[in-house]
Amino acid sequence: DGGITQSPKYLFRKEGQNVTLSCEQNLNHDAMYWYRQDPGQGLRLIYYSQIVNDFQKGDIAEGYSVSREKKESFPLTVTSAQKNPTAFYLCASSISSGELYNEQFFGPGTRLTVL
Amino acid sequence: GQNIDQPTEMTATEGAIVQINCTYQTSGFNGLFWYQQHAGEAPTFLSYNVLDGLEEKGRFSSFLSRSKGYSYLLLKELQMKDSASYLCAVIDSNYQLIWGAGTKLIIKP
Repeated sequence: DGGITQSPKYLFRKEGQNVTLSCEQNLNHDAMYWYRQDPGQGLRLIYYSQIVNDFQKGDIAEGYSVSREKKESFPLTVTSAQKNPTAFYLCASSISSGELYNEQFFGPGTRLTVL
Repeated sequence: GQNIDQPTEMTATEGAIVQINCTYQTSGFNGLFWYQQHAGEAPTFLSYNVLDGLEEKGRFSSFLSRSKGYSYLLLKELQMKDSASYLCAVIDSNYQLIWGAGTKLIIKP
């Protein structure tokens, strides 16, 4: 079955600790994205990657970092510099980001709570 | 700046019809998506419009008017499972997906 996996579903961390959220896809998609969603708000783009070994900042990249060493994987690190990290994090992928029709497929999300 | 407006919340009755509107002001337009998102879950694709007019898919239809910067999602024969948030997203001239805040739809028996 092709799809996107994110783990874990729920994650708790102490303030000041870095934490890495995993995202893996076996859809053979070139483009991958990380979004943050806060209650009652839309999706805000953190980082995106159009190809392996390349990524760009989104609208709210401060306090986050990513890597794209493999096509299938796009992990997100939430650093201690992120002022308010508690949120629902969604990873998505699409065939390509430079196409007219770039339907994004989403993973199940990780709910991060910083205590 | 880029902006997508949707009503925050709507309420409808089981079996009825509801229309969720979306207006957008973006730098260019290369298509519009509607996604459904149940609470605590990932968004799932509903429809895509790039040309003016109505796209029908079962109980759901989506309409686009590019000259007015306007779209709507029409849900017929509402079921309790349709209670969810509905997200409108526009592809801008840089092929970036710009997301609205979503409309929370509450279905009452």
